Amino acid sequence: AQTVTQSQPEMSVQEAETVTLSCTYDTSENNYYLFWYKQPPSRQMILVIRQEAYKQQNATENRFSVNFQKAAKSFSLKISDSQLGDTAMYFCAFMIEETSGSRLTFGEGTQLTVNP
Amino acid sequence: DTEVTQTPKHLVMGMTNKKSLKCEQHMGHRAMYWYKQKAKKPPELMFVYSYEKLSINESVPSRFSPECPNSSLLNLHLHALQPEDSALYLCASRPYSVSSYNEQFFGPGTRLTVL
Repeated sequence: AQTVTQSQPEMSVQEAETVTLSCTYDTSENNYYLFWYKQPPSRQMILVIRQEAYKQQNATENRFSVNFQKAAKSFSLKISDSQLGDTAMYFCAFMIEETSGSRLTFGEGTQLTVNP
Repeated sequence: DTEVTQTPKHLVMGMTNKKSLKCEQHMGHRAMYWYKQKAKKPPELMFVYSYEKLSINESVPSRFSPECPNSSLLNLHLHALQPEDSALYLCASRPYSVSSYNEQFFGPGTRLTVL
């Protein structure tokens, strides 16, 4: 069974600064996918960034980037130039391809607050 | 059309009522999911449909009954719910192919309150 751990229940950052959210996971699989989802107060789940385990290059999406360390089973999210709209719950998630319909395993989440 | 829609947005029901939640997507995705989410917690998987067939049931009580009438539509029928079933119910869909676009797309959810 896969597990995902987010060790920071809450974090805060000043607007325009950089913050890093941590995520570790445990699996015996070699091929898998990792995601960061954002859930603002509206509670709409929004994909922030994805990483395929077979790709060594770290994914980036504008101000969002990941530090993927496969051997250490670590997948942290860096948010640069934080904006007020980044205030949200952030979930790290793990997925392997399954014929029955590939489920996501979520971490417990990190509540990020961006202060003006 | 690149979104998952859910209706209703809010639902209040008594413990003896029967109601249904609806989820729709027109992206050609062949896997669809129901999740239950309590406040400040991650979503919990309830059901997965693959090619309109129920492929995963996470031991959900029978008062929740899923249905997938066609590849675009997913329903969740509710009957004799308990107050502890009050939560946000999220629907998601996913392309059923081994590709780089393999993430789940979530709908906005239905906030359910059981009185």
